[in-house]
Amino acid sequence: AQSVTQLDSQVPVFEEAPVELRCNYSSSVSVYLFWYVQYPNQGLQLLLKYLSGSTLVKGINGFEAEFNKSQTSFHLRKPSVHISDTAEYFCAVELVNNAGNMLTFGGGTRLMVKP
Amino acid sequence: EPEVTQTPSHQVTQMGQEVILRCVPISNHLYFYWYRQILGQKVEFLVSFYNNEISEKSEIFDDQFSVERPDGSNFTLKIRSTKLEDSAMYFCASSERPYTEAFFGQGTRLTVV
Repeated sequence: AQSVTQLDSQVPVFEEAPVELRCNYSSSVSVYLFWYVQYPNQGLQLLLKYLSGSTLVKGINGFEAEFNKSQTSFHLRKPSVHISDTAEYFCAVELVNNAGNMLTFGGGTRLMVKP
Repeated sequence: EPEVTQTPSHQVTQMGQEVILRCVPISNHLYFYWYRQILGQKVEFLVSFYNNEISEKSEIFDDQFSVERPDGSNFTLKIRSTKLEDSAMYFCASSERPYTEAFFGQGTRLTVV
């Protein structure tokens, strides 16, 4: 079975500083990779996804992530964060050829941007 | 912008009671899902639904759970006899097709007392 580990439950960072949120996964078969963001009192919103092709994926709000197959990682980065980026971030995987869109989520990382 | 709508936002129910959580997916979407998140734990997949039948379900989705699309617009999750451990945030989601973006609703917080 596949699993997703987000090593940091909370990441405090100052505004305009860079940030990296780490995500590692394990799976015996190929996976698709996703990052979702959850703002307070809202649902999950897709930030970006990796299905195939270039391992560097750009998403909304200036975020990007890099798929590293050898390290089974899909870390999320932003060069300069804003207060409005304060939210919970979830990494998720889905097995390739799984028709049910069954996402397996990590435990989430709370990004706290301080002024 | 189209969105997935869930009602109610918060429901409190007594143990053993039946509860129905409601969702209105985005209108042109064909795939529907329920996920849940117990407080402090991961978001977990429950079930996916396509063409009026379940396409995938997790071990959590036992006989106490059922899903239905009763009228072509609503997508419901029923829990027949709630247990304390069913207390969680339940998220509905929909997508046009697999591997495209799944749009999530804001969630229904279910509290079983």
